[in-house]
Amino acid sequence: GQNIDQPTEMTATEGAIVQINCTYQTSGFNGLFWYQQHAGEAPTFLSYNVLDGLEEKGRFSSFLSRSKGYSYLLLKELQMKDSASYLCAVHPNQGGKLIFGQGTELSVKP
Amino acid sequence: GAVVSQHPSWVICKSGTSVKIECRSLDFQATTMFWYRQFPKQSLMLMATSNEGSKATYEQGVEKDKFLINHASLTLSTLTVTSAHPEDSSFYICSARDLGTGGRETQYFGPGTRLLVL
Repeated sequence: GQNIDQPTEMTATEGAIVQINCTYQTSGFNGLFWYQQHAGEAPTFLSYNVLDGLEEKGRFSSFLSRSKGYSYLLLKELQMKDSASYLCAVHPNQGGKLIFGQGTELSVKP
Repeated sequence: GAVVSQHPSWVICKSGTSVKIECRSLDFQATTMFWYRQFPKQSLMLMATSNEGSKATYEQGVEKDKFLINHASLTLSTLTVTSAHPEDSSFYICSARDLGTGGRETQYFGPGTRLLVL
């Protein structure tokens, strides 16, 4: 079966760094996405990893290890507006359909 | 980044009517689009995969005769909720697949459509 695990909730302090982990077990692998979703809004694309390693994009970085079935999203210099749900999604085959985790609800406190 | 639009952003209708939602990729061609539904405080639920020029592929438990999907061009997919009932009230979100270059594909979501059936 297809399984993607990420923590349900996390809390962090404004200005700090937070790492949101995602582990996956899927029938195939053609890439992993991270999305940000604020309450009441649609998801916004953050990153796409298909090769092992770290990809940095401003305050956000995403890491992938295919051999371990593991990814993380790193958020630096946290701001209050970063409070949102962060979705990990795996693209298991060529058809494009994504398998989503349940999402991690991040609360940033002053 | 690429932009995907949805129209309308919200709709209120009477029970029994049909509602059409449009999803457009504005600056790239999308041979594949996806339709999701999301209830409050729940995760995204994939309803169907929309392929340009062919029939949509529906997920298990999704009625194809109730949720009609048409992907008539490389930039437009439509979802029609036929004979809508209050239990169909939800947040409907589309995404479009941008194959990009060098194997770096991305999937962008539209802003969503809130449907309220009275």
